[in-house]
Amino acid sequence: QQQVKQSPQSLIVQKGGISIINCAYENTAFDYFPWYQQFPGKGPALLIAIRPDVSEKKEGRFTISFNKSAKQFSLHIMDSQPGDSATYFCAASLDGQNFVFGPGTRLSVLP
Amino acid sequence: DARVTQTPRHKVTEMGQEVTMRCQPILGHNTVFWYRQTMMQGLELLAYFRNRAPLDDSGMPKDRFSAEMPDATLATLKIQPSEPRDSAVYFCASGLVHRPQHFGDGTRLSIL
Repeated sequence: QQQVKQSPQSLIVQKGGISIINCAYENTAFDYFPWYQQFPGKGPALLIAIRPDVSEKKEGRFTISFNKSAKQFSLHIMDSQPGDSATYFCAASLDGQNFVFGPGTRLSVLP
Repeated sequence: DARVTQTPRHKVTEMGQEVTMRCQPILGHNTVFWYRQTMMQGLELLAYFRNRAPLDDSGMPKDRFSAEMPDATLATLKIQPSEPRDSAVYFCASGLVHRPQHFGDGTRLSIL
């Protein structure tokens, strides 16, 4: 119930392409869904987040799509750049504080 | 930019030694988290404090791990005795209630 599933485990995209990472959850009580970006040797950094009353949120090239009925949410990176190469984690929270993280997706954007 | 500061950044020690990791949360944040990251298990929550009080440490092996917040500017995670399986990157994060967490850059721990 507390688990967040994430796919794919790794992703290779050409520069300018669209990167899509998917996550799924079971616990319908989750009320906050952030995405974190992590570069090697650094801690995860908040990228974008959404609440379940919204179906989509866009910030620059990053968009979260949220499907409450399917209990799924996804991150889309438009016009992917080599600088986007990192590990991406989805997460879900019950109370806005205690987060459950997905296993991560390693994204490589080829120049 | 305010940052979560973790020390040391790297630690190599022998099995059986005590290890202490320190975290300075962002000033004004009232929640502190300790996570462990490994290739196999990903990010695991070890402990969680709010207003310096431990709220959840169920992810932590109680016999060898301990987490404390002696004051609002310092959180510590201790391992005694350390074992090779404790080798991982340990992250501290801080935040405010109903706000996202901010992570430090971690302590990379290697137990030989």
